[in-house]
Amino acid sequence: QVQLVQSGTEVKKPGASVKISCQASGYSFSNYFLHWVRQAPGHGLEWMGILDVGGGSTTYAQKLQGRVSLTRDTSTRTFYMELSSLRDEDTAVYFCASQEAGRGFDPWGQGTLVSVAS
Amino acid sequence: QSVLTQPPSASGTPGQTVTISCSGSSSNIGSYAVNWYQQIPGTAPRLLIYIHGQRPSGVSDRFSGSKSGTSASLAISGLQPEDEADYYCASWDDSLNIWVFGGGTKLTVL
Repeated sequence: QVQLVQSGTEVKKPGASVKISCQASGYSFSNYFLHWVRQAPGHGLEWMGILDVGGGSTTYAQKLQGRVSLTRDTSTRTFYMELSSLRDEDTAVYFCASQEAGRGFDPWGQGTLVSVAS
Repeated sequence: QSVLTQPPSASGTPGQTVTISCSGSSSNIGSYAVNWYQQIPGTAPRLLIYIHGQRPSGVSDRFSGSKSGTSASLAISGLQPEDEADYYCASWDDSLNIWVFGGGTKLTVL
């Protein structure tokens, strides 16, 4: 059974970068994908990108291209999402979510609040 | 403006059946599976339905999903107070090359 535990709240100034972690347990490390999804206050879900857990390849939402980077540390089964050049509108709860091939996003991490304010 | 269109709200009384719609296009729902998520405010989303109608283990059979053409729907039968939550549909979009979500439907159990 896959479980995902994310790092804690981050408070950043505009222009800074943030790196959030998502530690997995119960993974087989094959045939899984790791997605990042964010939710601005009072808004819906926005997909940010996907990492192939086994091969390490990534695909990003074009809107965030150049600012977002998804990486993994296979030794600790930890995934990272780094977002640079932060803006006020990046204030959101960021979720990691696992996807076994052919299924939906399940499970999700508990979410990490990133607050961007001067 | 979300790529997938959901009604912003829905409501029902305990025991009723409520249906939530999700409208898309040929580049998403028309060509790919639809997943449904439940989100209780302040918590992470939870997968309810995948590949149109499959349920993960632990999800009640009161939840069912269907798809026709470029639209999908989620039905919740025997409505219970704990079903009060936000519901989102999602699908892959091969025109935008992203996963797209509906704007969410807030379900109120009266």
